[in-house]
Amino acid sequence: GAVVSQHPSWVICKSGTSVKIECRSLDFQATTMFWYRQFPKQSLMLMATSNEGSKATYEQGVEKDKFLINHASLTLSTLTVTSAHPEDSSFYICSARDGTSFDNEQFFGPGTRLTVL
Amino acid sequence: AQTVTQSQPEMSVQEAETVTLSCTYDTSESDYYLFWYKQPPSRQMILVIRQEAYKQQNATENRFSVNFQKAAKSFSLKISDSQLGDAAMYFCAYRSGQGAQKLVFGQGTRLTINP
Repeated sequence: GAVVSQHPSWVICKSGTSVKIECRSLDFQATTMFWYRQFPKQSLMLMATSNEGSKATYEQGVEKDKFLINHASLTLSTLTVTSAHPEDSSFYICSARDGTSFDNEQFFGPGTRLTVL
Repeated sequence: AQTVTQSQPEMSVQEAETVTLSCTYDTSESDYYLFWYKQPPSRQMILVIRQEAYKQQNATENRFSVNFQKAAKSFSLKISDSQLGDAAMYFCAYRSGQGAQKLVFGQGTRLTINP
């Protein structure tokens, strides 16, 4: 089956620093990748949709200057949390869509736990 | 905008019994897909079952089956012969068949299996 990886799986950073999270599709080309945020005991909230080679589309209420998304290749998308603050602490999950599959199924990465001190 | 509602924050069931998780959705589209995802303590999202809106037949995957009532916009998940490994958060999700095809998730139902 299709595999999506995320790196790092867990990161702790100081307030004011920037953190980059990578999302990779390992065995398929992901024309579209999605970034979600999940607070404890809550559902997944879509932050943005990124298409390879173009600017990401952010959901309403998501600060594009704070959460920088780059989808430079068909197998890699990155989410950079700039000037992180404690309220940015959360679980971030990416998913990738295999554009060649007939049903456009999305495959999820294992997530990244971000803790901002 | 599409919405997905799971009205049961928590459910519990005895091992080997059957449990049904509820989900309703709201949409004006005719082309869409519905999903049930499982999120165990590892937090890896796992696809349990999917249903295409144009199919009248309810989807089934081994012990998991759905009751898809299109007119009522209801999409419940039935788990038969519950096992301890079924304990997890379960999310119902909607995906449009057009456009960006992003997933819209419900609030989730935490399922506990009692031995």
